[in-house]
Amino acid sequence: QQQVKQSPQSLIVQKGGIPIINCAYENTAFDYFPWYQQFPGKGPALLIAIRPDVSEKKEGRFTISFNKSAKQFSLHIMDSQPGDSATYFCAASVYNTDKLIFGTGTRLQVFP
Amino acid sequence: DAGITQSPRHKVTETGTPVTLRCHQTENHRYMYWYRQDPGHGLRLIHYSYGVKDTDKGEVSDGYSVSRSKTEDFLLTLESATSSQTSVYFCATARGGSNEKLFFGSGTQLSVL
Repeated sequence: QQQVKQSPQSLIVQKGGIPIINCAYENTAFDYFPWYQQFPGKGPALLIAIRPDVSEKKEGRFTISFNKSAKQFSLHIMDSQPGDSATYFCAASVYNTDKLIFGTGTRLQVFP
Repeated sequence: DAGITQSPRHKVTETGTPVTLRCHQTENHRYMYWYRQDPGHGLRLIHYSYGVKDTDKGEVSDGYSVSRSKTEDFLLTLESATSSQTSVYFCATARGGSNEKLFFGSGTQLSVL
């Protein structure tokens, strides 16, 4: 199954909160898991990515947690800011193919 | 946007007409992709290219065709547009394939009436 299931569909937090977005997959051939951030009227942009040989990756306030046995990965945004309000997509790439499969997206709103 | 230009930015057309969307890149990236974005479905891969004249199907390729005669240009054609193809279409490029960073264009809003 080449599918990535993403939740929640939308998320509202206050400034300083820690929103968490979750993704799950079934295909064990996925070998690269990026997160993309999209602002209204713009194309998505790569935020952070992880490969399955590590369990966590941090870049600034953004952290990916990866659980290979559970086939789940999640994005945590520390000290969230109103400027983080955007739609976030998880994605997965199948080993030895050129296809990147996206989740359905999470709309995050961070209120001051 | 890594030198990606999509044209047109907006288009309104009628059911049954052919439509061609263009993606032009200036970065000499080998890989190019066409995605469509719809509420509740996220981004879905239509077709992609791994070189000049080398293309393959994605998840939702029915009703679409592509061509890549030059490295810098990737065309998406809706052979006979239907209302279900109303969507925002994004082109993306990558230097080395889907396990590297994808650069997206700003999208084309297509409405089929």
